[in-house]
Amino acid sequence: GAVVSQHPSRVICKSGTSVKIECRSLDFQATTMFWYRQFPKKSLMLMATSNEGSKATYEQGVEKDKFLINHASLTLSTLTVTSAHPEDSSFYICSALTSGGPNEQFFGPGTRLTVL
Amino acid sequence: AQSVTQLDSHVSVSEGTPVLLRCNYSSSYSPSLFWYVQHPNKGLQLLLKYTSAATLVKGINGFEAEFKKSETSFHLTKPSAHMSDAAEYFCVVSDPESTGGGNKLTFGTGTQLKVEL
Repeated sequence: GAVVSQHPSRVICKSGTSVKIECRSLDFQATTMFWYRQFPKKSLMLMATSNEGSKATYEQGVEKDKFLINHASLTLSTLTVTSAHPEDSSFYICSALTSGGPNEQFFGPGTRLTVL
Repeated sequence: AQSVTQLDSHVSVSEGTPVLLRCNYSSSYSPSLFWYVQHPNKGLQLLLKYTSAATLVKGINGFEAEFKKSETSFHLTKPSAHMSDAAEYFCVVSDPESTGGGNKLTFGTGTQLKVEL
């Protein structure tokens, strides 16, 4: 199957700093990528849909100015958590949607963010 | 609106015995349904999916699921559990006709499967 990578896998930062997480589709192009957040022992919650070359679509309750999404190429989407606070600590997972056939989302391994 | 309910947060079975992970869905349309598995420190992996073809869907690693519209269920089964099956399992629904073009996935809360010797 298609491979999606995320970098970094883990990051620890101080409160008030910004953190960038990268999501790459390694062997296919993805015009659409998704960002999810997973709390401990909880389900994945869709945060936003990232579309190449256009603005991301955010789910209700997700602050777009806090979670900046950029999808500048067909293989890369980035999520920047701005002015991070301890409550932003979570597991962030991206997925990339295949095109040109049956659409399927392939998931990255996730990024564990800890804000001190 | 679409939603998924996974009835058991934890399931424990002995190796070699059957596995049953339960899932009920709610959807305004004819949904697509999926089961994903999440191993520690690994990405979510698709086990199987139902997209309005055969109601009994066979997936990888010996798993299968049956779509029952009358019961709004999509339970995951495996005849004989293996130690390597221990993981978190998510039932997922998407509505092809909903906003987002059917690509928006709604996840259940997950079921942790434990396999004992």
